[in-house]
Amino acid sequence: SQQGEEDPQALSIQEGENATMNCSYKTSINNLQWYRQNSGRGLVHLILIRSNEREKHSGRLRVTLDTSKKSSSLLITASRAADTASYFCAKGAAGNKLTFGGGTRVLVKP
Amino acid sequence: KAGVTQTPRYLIKTRGQQVTLSCSPISGHRSVSWYQQTPGQGLQFLFEYFSETQRNKGNFPGRFSGRQFSNSRSEMNVSTLELGDSALYLCASSSPGGAGTEAFFGQGTRLTVV
Repeated sequence: SQQGEEDPQALSIQEGENATMNCSYKTSINNLQWYRQNSGRGLVHLILIRSNEREKHSGRLRVTLDTSKKSSSLLITASRAADTASYFCAKGAAGNKLTFGGGTRVLVKP
Repeated sequence: KAGVTQTPRYLIKTRGQQVTLSCSPISGHRSVSWYQQTPGQGLQFLFEYFSETQRNKGNFPGRFSGRQFSNSRSEMNVSTLELGDSALYLCASSSPGGAGTEAFFGQGTRLTVV
């Protein structure tokens, strides 16, 4: 079973627009991580945010974390066709075990 | 630095057979985790090995097993294959000591059971 729920399950936007996806989780976290996956290939790590952090940026990516609501969001600004992929949040726990959400499929139309 | 290498990339097996998948982590990484990805169940954690010891285990039957060698390379084995074992199997490595660090994934092994 998956720890998190991601919302929306799918997102279609025009190039240049922003894309926002949300992730909720059920139990306390050590950290929350976001990954991208292109067409059933390997996952690429995007951002790790620790439980004592509220916001992190990496290039066009912005992740927020609200531990009181047990939720996180990923914002991709000025999207490009190359951002078309599935995005997953993952709860980090003891050791390096990751519990993934169901993912959001993002389609960026040129 | 070379990334995580998984072999083979594709595999077709018959029900009842067994299969062994291999993962070579990034040099210096001692933690290797395995995940199964299916359309129905999504990404599910199988197990993690750290310094040749299984450190975490997911909720999979005993048919799924793994091991890690002294050079940190890892293998996973699935015995008595079932149709439902068809999936993308992903291996991830993490940095030394790695509790709560980013994971680097291989390209996966796509297993089809017929």
